[in-house]
Order: sequence, then C-alpha cells, then structure tokens
Amino acid sequence: GAVVSQHPSRVICKSGTSVKIECRSLDFQATTMFWYRQFPKQSLMLMATSNEGSKATYEQGVEKDKFLINHASLTLSTLTVTSAHPEDSSFYICSARGTVAGNQPQHFGDGTRLSIL
Amino acid sequence: GNSVTQMEGPVTLSEEAFLTINCTYTATGYPSLFWYVQYPGEGLQLLLKATKADDKGSNKGFEATYRKETTSFHLEKGSVQVSDSAVYFCALVSGNTPLVFGKGTRLSVIA
Repeated sequence: GAVVSQHPSRVICKSGTSVKIECRSLDFQATTMFWYRQFPKQSLMLMATSNEGSKATYEQGVEKDKFLINHASLTLSTLTVTSAHPEDSSFYICSARGTVAGNQPQHFGDGTRLSIL
Repeated sequence: GNSVTQMEGPVTLSEEAFLTINCTYTATGYPSLFWYVQYPGEGLQLLLKATKADDKGSNKGFEATYRKETTSFHLEKGSVQVSDSAVYFCALVSGNTPLVFGKGTRLSVIA
C-alpha cells in the first residue's frame, strides 16, 4: 500500500536551533500534504496544508514564520521549525494524499519527536 | 462544519473481550469515514474505511459499518489481543478538505 516516509524520527537539539523535517511519499504522487502536531495523550492538531508548487495554508494560531513549509515536488514536503524553543517540543506528523479526486484517505508518516533543550 | 465525536477513554479490556468504540459524525455532503490506529511512539495507520452508506470496512478483525441514519461508524472487534493496545481515531473527509479527527480513544488490553 501507500507509504509515507518521515525523517528524522527523533531530534534533540539546543534552544535557538532550526530543525528541518522531511516527508516523502514513496509510491504515489502527493498533491496535498498536511502537517500535524500532537501533544502527549491528545489528538492531532492540523498546523498547515500544502499543495505542490504553492504556498502552504496555515491554520489559525500557527505562526508561518516559525513553521516554514515547502512542498517543492509531488513526493516531498519539508517543515522547518525556525529558532526552536522548548515550547516547540512536540510530536510532529506529516500526512499525504494522492492525486485521485474524491474522498481519499490520508497516509501518515511515523512522526518526528522533537525535543528542544 | 464537519465534526467527529468518539467515546472518551481510556478503555481497559481483558484479552479476548469484545470491543466497541463509538463514533458519530456531523458532515455536509457525502463524507468517507475512517478509523486510524496509533501505536505507542508511532504515526497513524489507516485501519479501515467506508466510502458510502451501509458499507462495512474491515481489517485485522476490526469492523465498522457506515450508518447514515444514525450518523455513526462504531468500531468493533470480537476478541481483542494485547497487541491491539493503541489509540484509535475516528475520522472523516468530505471532498478535498483535510481529515477531521475525533479526539482518540486509548485502548489497553491486559492479559
């Protein structure tokens, strides 16, 4: 079946560092990719939606200058957490949806656990 | 707008017990319905789906039937195993909008 690869799976870094997370669709073309954030024991919070070749659409309350999203190709999207601080520590999950029209499921990466010291 | 409501957990069951996790939805149009599972420390995996009324999705012993008259998509399994311990999310999509998730239900199965 469809596979989404997310890398790295875990990052530990110092406050002030910028961190890039990659999300790749391995066997399908993803016109739309989604980035979620999940706090412990909570549901997923949608941060932004990105369509290939256009600017991402951010959800209310999500700082676009803090969380930079690039969706340069049909198989790759990146999330860069700029100048990360401890409050940015979280589990980040990407998701991708293919090009077929209609009510398609989203396929998820395994997530990136980000810890800022 | 679209929304999903699922029973709050945690749910604790003994091995081989019967499982039901309730899920109801509100949606415009003709949504597709999904159940996702999240094992500890991992991302979400699609467990099963149903795309129209009266469809039954099934996978790994889990089943859910799309009931339009009650706007429900309850997840069931006849005999749970310890390995089924995870968080289960009910979700819907209508058109090209992002998935709308329920809050998740944590299931713990004890031997």
